[in-house]
Amino acid sequence: KAGVTQTPRYLIKTRGQQVTLSCSPISGHRSVSWYQQTPGQGLQFLFEYFSETQRNKGNFPGRFSGRQFSNSRSEMNVSTLELGDSALYLCASSLGTTPETQYFGPGTRLLVL
Amino acid sequence: TQLLEQSPQFLSIQEGENLTVYCNSSSVFSSLQWYRQEPGEGPVLLVTVVTGGEVKKLKRLTFQFGDARKDSSLHITAAQPGDTGLYLCAGENDYKLSFGAGTTVTVRA
Repeated sequence: KAGVTQTPRYLIKTRGQQVTLSCSPISGHRSVSWYQQTPGQGLQFLFEYFSETQRNKGNFPGRFSGRQFSNSRSEMNVSTLELGDSALYLCASSLGTTPETQYFGPGTRLLVL
Repeated sequence: TQLLEQSPQFLSIQEGENLTVYCNSSSVFSSLQWYRQEPGEGPVLLVTVVTGGEVKKLKRLTFQFGDARKDSSLHITAAQPGDTGLYLCAGENDYKLSFGAGTTVTVRA
C-alpha cells in the first residue's frame, strides 16, 4: 500500500503571497489531518477533514483553510503569508475511526521570506 | 502550553544502555500513540495503546498506558544508534490528536 504523499516537498514564498499544499492519503483512508510543526511550538493541529467535511479545527487564524475532495485527497491553503508561517506542514491520514491512528506524510517545508 | 508534557526534553546515552521517556497529562485520552520522527521527515507511528494499564512490547521497545489513561511511558532496552530520533507522544480525543513537545534521543555508538 502506498503511503501518504505530499506535494510539493519544498516551497519558498514571500510575505503577502498565498500557497496551496496538497496531500494524498493512504488508499481507503477517509480522514485527513493537517499539522504545522515549528521548533518553538512543536506539532500544532490545524484541522481535520472526514468525508469532505471539516470535523475538527485547531486554533489558527482564518488565513489557514483547507478542503477535501471526494477521493479523500486534501488541500491546505494559507493566504497573506507571514514570516511566522515558515514551518514544516504535515498531513496525516487515517480511517477516521477510534482509535485515531494517523499515518503521516513526509511534509512540505515552507519558507516565507 | 502543551496538553501533554514529555520528559526529558533531551536524552543522550551510549549504545547498549536503557532509556525511558515519559508522557504526562491532566486529561484523559481514549487512546495514545507514540511516534518517532527523523529530521526532515514526517513522524512514523510506533504504537497505539487504548486500554488503561495496557503494556505493549515491540522488540526492544516497551510502551505502557497509565491506568487512568492520562500518562504513558516508552522504555527502550539496549539502545542502538538506529533508535536516534525525536520521540513524540500524542493523545486522542474525538478523532483529534494532541502532541507533546517531543523527546530528542541520541544514541552514541
